[in-house]
Amino acid sequence: GAVVSQHPSWVICKSGTSVKIECRSLDFQATTMFWYRQFPKQSLMLMATSNEGSKATYEQGVEKDKFLINHASLTLSTLTVTSAHPEDSSFYICSAAPLAVNYEQYFGPGTRLTVT
Amino acid sequence: AQKVTQAQTEISVVEKEDVTLDCVYETRDTTYYLFWYKQPPSGELVFLIRRNSFDEQNEISGRYSWNFQKSTSSFNFTITASQVVDSAVYFCALSDLYGNNRLAFGKGNQVVVIP
Repeated sequence: GAVVSQHPSWVICKSGTSVKIECRSLDFQATTMFWYRQFPKQSLMLMATSNEGSKATYEQGVEKDKFLINHASLTLSTLTVTSAHPEDSSFYICSAAPLAVNYEQYFGPGTRLTVT
Repeated sequence: AQKVTQAQTEISVVEKEDVTLDCVYETRDTTYYLFWYKQPPSGELVFLIRRNSFDEQNEISGRYSWNFQKSTSSFNFTITASQVVDSAVYFCALSDLYGNNRLAFGKGNQVVVIP
């Protein structure tokens, strides 16, 4: 149980285009989903916290107009990188927190984004 | 504020040696959770352990063991008799109520096991 999927697993896009990454909790409902970014040889940095049916809360320094997050249902959150630039190339990982279990997060396998 | 410090960045060991990864944390909260994750080259995070702040018992799981010391705010991880498959990056993380249960990760330890 507690499986989180991400789609796509990798994507290459051209500079200036937008790309959407999906995060799904497959066998549980998640009130809260988190989005992380990881640059090569660095740690995971939390980008935003998304709660179903409400606006995402972004960490300091993360541009909310560039990284659009939508959490439309209890099993799906999406991250859209708008007007992507090469410096947005990174590994994006989502996690999902089950209902009523505050301390638990289940991680997706990650999406590797390369912007050319 | 939450903070997790993993001082050693890269550690190389010869197969069958033991390796200990240090994790020191800071939090204002009395209720918090500590985690260790493994990240192999594939990138997917593998959950290893969760500990809550009220449970200071050490834990052993196979070749893995954890030492939780609240007095020194440390949650150290030891791999006994290391194997090549243990080569990965290991992250310590902290979740507390002040952080709204968001996870704060340490910088990670790159473990390289040399055959």
